[in-house]
Amino acid sequence: EAGVAQSPRYKIIEKRQSVAFWCNPISGHATLYWYQQILGQGPKLLIQFQNNGVVDDSQLPKDRFSAERLKGVDSTLKIQPAKLEDSAVYLCASSLTGTGGYEQYFGPGTRLTVT
Amino acid sequence: GDSVTQMEGPVTLSEEAFLTINCTYTATGYPSLFWYVQYPGEGLQLLLKATKADDKGSNKGFEATYRKETTSFHLEKGSVQVSDSAVYFCALKETSYDKVIFGPGTSLSVIP
Repeated sequence: EAGVAQSPRYKIIEKRQSVAFWCNPISGHATLYWYQQILGQGPKLLIQFQNNGVVDDSQLPKDRFSAERLKGVDSTLKIQPAKLEDSAVYLCASSLTGTGGYEQYFGPGTRLTVT
Repeated sequence: GDSVTQMEGPVTLSEEAFLTINCTYTATGYPSLFWYVQYPGEGLQLLLKATKADDKGSNKGFEATYRKETTSFHLEKGSVQVSDSAVYFCALKETSYDKVIFGPGTSLSVIP
C-alpha cells in the first residue's frame, strides 16, 4: 500500500515570497490533515478536511495561508507571503473517517526555510 | 478545549533501563489515545493506540493503558535499547470530528 506522498521535501525561499506544498493521501482516506511542526515542538493542526470540505481551520493564519482539496483527494497548502516564523516542517497526514479510532498516516514532510 | 500534556524532556536513560513517559489529557467525550514516535530524520509513525477505557495498547515492547479515571495514557517499556532513541508524542483523537491533538513531545536518548 502506498503511503502519504508529499512534495517538495525541502524548500528555501526568501521572506515575502510564496510557496506551495502538495500532498497525496492514502487511497480511500477521506480525512486529510495539514500540520506545522516547528523544531522542538509537537505538530500543530493547520487545517483538516473531510473529503473536500473543511472540518477545522481555526489555527490557519488565513491572511497568508490557504489550502484546498479538490475532488476530495490531493491537497495543496500555500503560503503567501511567507514570514521568517513560517520556517518549519509541514506535515500532511490522512486517516479513515469514523468512530473506529483510526490512526493517522503521515507523509515525510516538507522542510521550509524562510530567509 | 481538549488538550494533551506530556512530561518534559529530554530524557536520558542507560540501555536496559525502565522507561515511563507520562501523558495526561483533557477531553469531552471518549477520545481515542495514541502514541506516535519520530525517529531521527524520519516521519511520524504510530507506535500504539487504545480506543476505549482500560484498553492496553502495545507494540515493540512498549505499552500504555487508557485510564479514564486518571485521564492518563502513560507509555512504558521494561528495557530500552539504543534504537529507541526518538521523540515520542502522545495524542488524542476526538470522537466528534476526528480532530487530533498532539502533546509537545518527549525526547528520549538511550546511551549504551
